[in-house]
Amino acid sequence: GENVEQHPSTLSVQEGDSAVIKCTYSDSASNYFPWYKQELGKRPQLIIDIRSNVGEKKDQRIAVTLNKTAKHFSLHITETQPEDSAVYFCAAGTYKYIFGTGTRLKVLA
Amino acid sequence: NAGVTQTPKFRILKIGQSMTLQCAQDMNHNYMYWYRQDPGMGLKLIYYSVGAGITDKGEVPNGYNVSRSTTEDFPLRLELAAPSQTSVYFCASSPGDRGPYEQYFGPGTRLTVT
Repeated sequence: GENVEQHPSTLSVQEGDSAVIKCTYSDSASNYFPWYKQELGKRPQLIIDIRSNVGEKKDQRIAVTLNKTAKHFSLHITETQPEDSAVYFCAAGTYKYIFGTGTRLKVLA
Repeated sequence: NAGVTQTPKFRILKIGQSMTLQCAQDMNHNYMYWYRQDPGMGLKLIYYSVGAGITDKGEVPNGYNVSRSTTEDFPLRLELAAPSQTSVYFCASSPGDRGPYEQYFGPGTRLTVT
């Protein structure tokens, strides 16, 4: 079946450093790639997304890159802050997604 | 707008009992989804609907049923609850197949089956 792999499963960075989370997907029909942030006990919330006709998208400290040929996409967070600590999920699909297994990011003050 | 609402917030079921998880949205979204999230894991799609009267299976549909009689409501039915169904259940909605594809999530229902 279709699959989305996400790495790493946990990531610890010092405050102010950058964090990178990587995902690969298997379904060639995927054209929408969202990233969700989930704080403990809360619902997932969209932080950034990218469509297949775009290679890179940036929103302040957050950026996403997409390599459709290699079926890879990545989340980049710069100048990390303690409030960035959460679980991050990538997903791939169209109106229906497959989610990755999540990355627990810890930003150490 | 209330967005996506779910009831109940918490529920404990005994093995073999049945229940319905309620989900409603007031954004006039055509598409609605049910996910389950096991501890420390990602979200798995149970069922989804692209409009009133239309439902389809996701990745993990066994043990569940859904119906979509109105645009606003998308209840999830658990028959004969099993411990393996202990999870957090999230309902979500999105505008439709023309995009944007962003899914808006409800607050979740935490279900324990003992």
